[in-house]
Amino acid sequence: GQQVMQIPQYQHVQEGEDFTTYCNSSTTLSNIQWYKQRPGGHPVFLIQLVKSGEVKKQKRLTFQFGEAKKNSSLHITATQTTDVGTYFCAARGRSGNTGKLIFGQGTTLQVKP
Amino acid sequence: DTEVTQTPKHLVMGMTNKKSLKCEQHMGHRAMYWYKQKAKKPPELMFVYSYEKLSINESVPSRFSPECPNSSLLNLHLHALQPEDSALYLCASNKGRRSDTGELFFGEGSRLTVL
Repeated sequence: GQQVMQIPQYQHVQEGEDFTTYCNSSTTLSNIQWYKQRPGGHPVFLIQLVKSGEVKKQKRLTFQFGEAKKNSSLHITATQTTDVGTYFCAARGRSGNTGKLIFGQGTTLQVKP
Repeated sequence: DTEVTQTPKHLVMGMTNKKSLKCEQHMGHRAMYWYKQKAKKPPELMFVYSYEKLSINESVPSRFSPECPNSSLLNLHLHALQPEDSALYLCASNKGRRSDTGELFFGEGSRLTVL
């Protein structure tokens, strides 16, 4: 079945440092979504990328979708303690089964003040 | 605040009990989902309902029985569960049209403990 690999599993940074998490798939993806889950919370949608090579920004967050639509990244500039949580990528395969959104393993970000 | 409401927030049950988890949304979404999430793991898809019909069952054991009474409600009936079924059960919804690949709206989850 389709799998989405996400690295690193954990990242500890000093407040103000940058952070990046990566997602990779062996198959071409129709789109990729990113979610954030705060400790004790539920996943909250951040963004969806659809086009090859797409780059989107949300304040200090930059999301990229690879040219081959097989990888994606989330970069946070100058982390803050409010960025703490687990970031998941999630993807559907090119087969177009819109029901089956598969999550990567997640990257848990800790920010030291 | 989430627009997907799940009850109860916490549930403790014995292995012989029968209980149900409930989920409700009033966004007019036509696809609803059950995910299971263990600690420090990603959400794992269990079931998908599309237009009130079960469209995906990810080989979930029969002790979990989903039900979609109408387009706003989704239930998960639990019977004869095992301790390893203890987890956070997340309900989610989205528009569900075939062309729609939009975001999932998650509820806050029901944290289940099986003794």
